[in-house]
Amino acid sequence: GAVVSQHPSWVICKSGTSVKIECRSLDFQATTMFWYRQFPKQSLMLMATSNEGSKATYEQGVEKDKFLINHASLTLSTLTVTSAHPEDSSFYICSAANLAGGRDYNEQFFGPGTRLTVL
Amino acid sequence: DAKTTQPTSMDCAEGRAANLPCNHSTISGNEYVYWYRQIHSQGPQYIIHGLKNNETNEMASLIITEDRKSSTLILPHATLRDTAVYYCIVIRNTDKLIFGTGTRLQVFP
Repeated sequence: GAVVSQHPSWVICKSGTSVKIECRSLDFQATTMFWYRQFPKQSLMLMATSNEGSKATYEQGVEKDKFLINHASLTLSTLTVTSAHPEDSSFYICSAANLAGGRDYNEQFFGPGTRLTVL
Repeated sequence: DAKTTQPTSMDCAEGRAANLPCNHSTISGNEYVYWYRQIHSQGPQYIIHGLKNNETNEMASLIITEDRKSSTLILPHATLRDTAVYYCIVIRNTDKLIFGTGTRLQVFP
């Protein structure tokens, strides 16, 4: 399968600072990237869908001004957690897919995740 | 998207087949059954998907009942590395993958 990387793999920051997480599709063009958040012992929760060259679509309850998403190219999407607080500490996971061509289905390829700890 | 029901947890002896069931009684005709798994502290991994025919790949087999209201993921020879949470997801396309609670499979020696 395709390879998706995330950077950094883990980050510790002080409360009030902003943190940027990168998601890269290494061997295919990702028309769409997704961002998930996962708290300990819980399932993944979809935060937003990001299409290349357009604004992200956020799920209900996710603050778009706090979680800034940029998808400027077919291989890179970034998630910036602005003014992070301890409650933002979580495992952030991206996935990438190529939904072009009107196909009915596609596989999503997931990154390894980024563990954010806000002190 | 159709809702799925999976057992919370299952055990399997190493080397034996692991059969993970999933109920999706409200599935509609153009929805696929996808299976992903997540090993602890890693991103999810795609396993297999199907529409109505049984499917097999190098990782697993997917058996879908004729009425498509349930399916079973089969890991033919489970290893310790197969210990993970397995998610059954029913979707029209991968526009949005919504993860439920999944089945926690523990493979023991």
